[in-house]
Amino acid sequence: KQEVTQIPAALSVPEGENLVLNCSFTDSAIYNLQWFRQDPGKGLTSLLLIQSSQREQTSGRLNASLDKSSGRSTLYIAASQPGDSATYLCAVRRYSGGGADGLTFGKGTHLIIQP
Amino acid sequence: DVKVTQSSRYLVKRTGEKVFLECVQDMDHENMFWYRQDPGLGLRLIYFSYDVKMKEKGDIPEGYSVSREKKERFSLILESASTNQTSMYLCASSLVMTGGGGDPEQYFGPGTRLTVT
Repeated sequence: KQEVTQIPAALSVPEGENLVLNCSFTDSAIYNLQWFRQDPGKGLTSLLLIQSSQREQTSGRLNASLDKSSGRSTLYIAASQPGDSATYLCAVRRYSGGGADGLTFGKGTHLIIQP
Repeated sequence: DVKVTQSSRYLVKRTGEKVFLECVQDMDHENMFWYRQDPGLGLRLIYFSYDVKMKEKGDIPEGYSVSREKKERFSLILESASTNQTSMYLCASSLVMTGGGGDPEQYFGPGTRLTVT
């Protein structure tokens, strides 16, 4: 059974710092890995999607990497801002006998950027 | 922009009631999903659907059923609501995977916070 773990569970850093969020998964048979942001009481906003054949994706100050063989992904946030404060979720698109399945999520990293 | 909408942001129901949660997407996506999110447990897949009238169980289908009569609409049904179904419910949609193109991302709605008393 696929399990996704995110470390750290919570992180508080001063504004302007570069930071790395970690995600690991137990089964490398995935279609893709997706990073989301969730603000309190809200739905999920997709940040980056990495296909299983890709190594990384970039969007603005965000860069996500994927090492499928070792079951790891990192989300790098450059020059953090208070507006980056949110919970960041990592999820892998599962493979089942009939093809693509739903997402398996980690429990998230709660990020606070101090002004 | 893809838009996934859910019929209610907040819902309060009594134990034993039949509850319908509605989800609509406007991008002609084949795949639709229902998840629930609970503190300490994260998001878990309840049911998903590849096409009209098609459904597949996710990780926690017990106590739930679904209906997909039209491509754009996917309903989650709690046949007899119980207090342990108090949760945040999130709907998502995506295109179907096509050969060589990789697997499309999932887009999420704003969520429905359901309280069962």
